[in-house]
Amino acid sequence: GNSVTQMEGPVTLSEEAFLTINCTYTATGYPSLFWYVQYPGEGLQLLLKATKADDKGSNKGFEATYRKETTSFHLEKGSVQVSDSAVYFCALNRGNNRLAFGKGNQVVVIP
Amino acid sequence: EAGVTQSPTHLIKTRGQQATLRCSPISGHTSVYWYQQALGLGLQFLLWYDEGEERNRGNFPPRFSGRQFPNYSSELNVNALELEDSALYLCASSPGRSFGSNQPQHFGDGTRLSIL
Repeated sequence: GNSVTQMEGPVTLSEEAFLTINCTYTATGYPSLFWYVQYPGEGLQLLLKATKADDKGSNKGFEATYRKETTSFHLEKGSVQVSDSAVYFCALNRGNNRLAFGKGNQVVVIP
Repeated sequence: EAGVTQSPTHLIKTRGQQATLRCSPISGHTSVYWYQQALGLGLQFLLWYDEGEERNRGNFPPRFSGRQFPNYSSELNVNALELEDSALYLCASSPGRSFGSNQPQHFGDGTRLSIL
């Protein structure tokens, strides 16, 4: 069935560094893809989405492009801030409105 | 606009007890979803309600149940609590089935359920 895979392990980087978090998906058809962010002690916030191939979602300096040829939806930000420290989840719609999430990546930005 | 609200924030129970978690969706949303975020297991889909009916169910035992009220708020009930039910339970809402299946879901801050 439809699923997403995120790269293993936390990501630690310095302020103003470039951030990439990899996400690949397996799907029949072309489900919408999402990135959610979870700050400590909070629920998930929708960060961005893309609904079809070649769509680029963007928000708060973050971007991700729906790549059909590589079945990927990598999250990028050109210059991270300490306030971007959070857990980031890639997700897609598995059908029948159920979201499938990746395992999440803890991002720690050091001043 | 108020977001998805969940109550209580924390809930402490003992094994064998029953827990009730509550969720109010964003105004105008008719679909409510429940997810479990357990340590080491990630986020797993539990239930989807729309227009008062259960529309889809994840791979959880029947002691996990719920309902949706006429005002679209929802309850999640967990009976015969077990230690492994300790988790953050997240509720989400979206506009509803008539808007298609790829609408983004908007999440609340969750209820932390701890089983002693």
